[in-house]
Amino acid sequence: AQSVAQPEDQVNVAEGNPLTVKCTYSVSGNPYLFWYVQYPNRGLQFLLKYITGDNLVKGSYGFEAEFNKSQTSFHLKKPSALVSDSALYFCAVTPTYVGNTGKLIFGQGTTLQVKP
Amino acid sequence: DGGITQSPKYLFRKEGQNVTLSCEQNLNHDAMYWYRQDPGQGLRLIYYSQIVNDFQKGDIAEGYSVSREKKESFPLTVTSAQKNPTAFYLCASTLRGGSQYGYTFGSGTRLTVV
Repeated sequence: AQSVAQPEDQVNVAEGNPLTVKCTYSVSGNPYLFWYVQYPNRGLQFLLKYITGDNLVKGSYGFEAEFNKSQTSFHLKKPSALVSDSALYFCAVTPTYVGNTGKLIFGQGTTLQVKP
Repeated sequence: DGGITQSPKYLFRKEGQNVTLSCEQNLNHDAMYWYRQDPGQGLRLIYYSQIVNDFQKGDIAEGYSVSREKKESFPLTVTSAQKNPTAFYLCASTLRGGSQYGYTFGSGTRLTVV
């Protein structure tokens, strides 16, 4: 079965420290990969995506993610965390094989808590 | 500005009552989706539609119904058959399903059974 795993329910970091939110996937073919952020009682906002090309992609608010095909991972990173980064983060994948229904497959989400 | 509008933001349902959640987009997107979000369970797909007048069940369709009579609209009805409807409901759309464009999300509707 195709799936996305975010192994940590919560990640705690101090403001100013680097942060990593982990994501691994299991899908057929070469997937498109996405990260979204959700603030309380709001919809999901797009952060960044990997389609093809350079394995390191840069997105909104200073976030970046590294695609690693051999490890089937797409970890979200930021060099210096801000308190305002505290939110719920979702990794998502869409397979690209012929006949794909087009649905995004979401991970369970990781709560990021940045402490002052 | 283009986007997805969900209404109402908060909705209260009595036992045995059907309620309809609205989702409208002016992005000219083909595909639309409904998700349910419960604490600690991530997003679960209820229904999706890739073209007008066609829709498919997602992972948790029981107790819900949808229609797609217009490209810009994809309302979700929570019927009395849904035994635990209290949740946060999210609507999303994309230019084409399975594409590199990802989803655009609405701001959600919080449904509470009273």
